[in-house]
Amino acid sequence: DTGVSQNPRHKITKRGQNVTFRCDPISEHNRLYWYRQTLGQGPEFLTYFQNEAQLEKSRLLSDRFSAERPKGSFSTLEIQRTEQGDSAMYLCASSLDSGGYGYTFGSGTRLTVV
Amino acid sequence: DAKTTQPTSMDCAEGRAANLPCNHSTISGNEYVYWYRQIHSQGPQYIIHGLKNNETNEMASLIITEDRKSSTLILPHATLRDTAVYYCIVLGDNAGNMLTFGGGTRLMVKP
Repeated sequence: DTGVSQNPRHKITKRGQNVTFRCDPISEHNRLYWYRQTLGQGPEFLTYFQNEAQLEKSRLLSDRFSAERPKGSFSTLEIQRTEQGDSAMYLCASSLDSGGYGYTFGSGTRLTVV
Repeated sequence: DAKTTQPTSMDCAEGRAANLPCNHSTISGNEYVYWYRQIHSQGPQYIIHGLKNNETNEMASLIITEDRKSSTLILPHATLRDTAVYYCIVLGDNAGNMLTFGGGTRLMVKP
């Protein structure tokens, strides 16, 4: 499978715990994006990387959130001290350039904070 | 990037054409119209995009009005697998841009 891979698919955690999600983009894609989607809403942009550089972060990305993309390959999104409001689908996408047609999304990680 | 307005939901009979409208009255000259769809429990999937001219690919056709203030995505023969949320997005070609999703149109294809 040469698509965008996200792990885990589902995560249930207790409030206050830390969680980490992983995204493996399409190998030749240099841009990687994280989005968050709550029930009934469209995906909301969180942050993106051009290679290993994190170039933009949404104000939705509070201090409890951190994302990395070491060596410009896979990326991780960590949420510290999870809150119930963090429950959502976390989507990763990658693209080769800045064109809006080239985004390939993964199937997401569904986080439930109890 | 220009904002878009789409109906919240639409129904379509299986085998008929599904016509999904989108208003983008503040679109500027270098902004493209993109359509993505999201099937339940999956990430969004690219469908088609255009600047001025009508476009067609194996999935759909995109009709953009001459003034570019609105567009219509056409699925010529809708199937049950086309049931999804369809997002119309306007985006310029600047390097710092990224897709911004609105609420989309929930299309229900019925037998």
